[in-house]
Amino acid sequence: QKEVEQDPGPLSVPEGAIVSLNCTYSNSAFQYFMWYRQYSRKGPELLMYTYSSGNKEDGRFTAQVDKSSKYISLFIRDSQPSDSATYLCATLSYNTDKLIFGTGTRLQVFP
Amino acid sequence: NAGVMQNPRHLVRRRGQEARLRCSPVKGHSHVYWYRQLPEEGLKFMVYLQKENIIDESGMPKERFSAEFPKEGPSILRIQQVVRGDSAAYFCASSPLRQNTDTQYFGPGTRLTVL
Repeated sequence: QKEVEQDPGPLSVPEGAIVSLNCTYSNSAFQYFMWYRQYSRKGPELLMYTYSSGNKEDGRFTAQVDKSSKYISLFIRDSQPSDSATYLCATLSYNTDKLIFGTGTRLQVFP
Repeated sequence: NAGVMQNPRHLVRRRGQEARLRCSPVKGHSHVYWYRQLPEEGLKFMVYLQKENIIDESGMPKERFSAEFPKEGPSILRIQQVVRGDSAAYFCASSPLRQNTDTQYFGPGTRLTVL
């Protein structure tokens, strides 16, 4: 079983839609949860990070962590064509330095 | 204020040759991480270095791969006697502090193709 599972998609939505991206993880030691956005042929760019359970909002993006079910989500409101990219979830436990990534979900927002 | 620089951006090698990938971290960052991304897969941790020291190399293949981060100059990921399975995108990230998760910045990656 992979430590972080993520549906690879692709996910195709119309402009203005609300997008929900999800990951599950297996290790209860994970404390930090991140979402990265990766455009084609580019490096990952950190979008959001949360510590432990709860919600965090930044503009059109909301990150949600439910440690009881080991489930992490990223919501994108009013999606734009410029949001078209691969979204990677990642986790980190307190006593290590290596990020554990999901496989990434490819999102396409069409006009 | 330059971000993480990686070069070359694209590297083509024949089987058996050596590949040297360079990473210059953000100025002032002393922590460097290398990740590998295979097609249709997420990034996989390879090695974590702090100036002149390897802190965690648990993700590095036991043979042919090595990494360094000298006191002066960029971090180098070296792959000897490359094989087709080494074809991937290699990313490095840097941060100013250990476990400072909100400031682990990634470079644009080096895409290695082994013929």
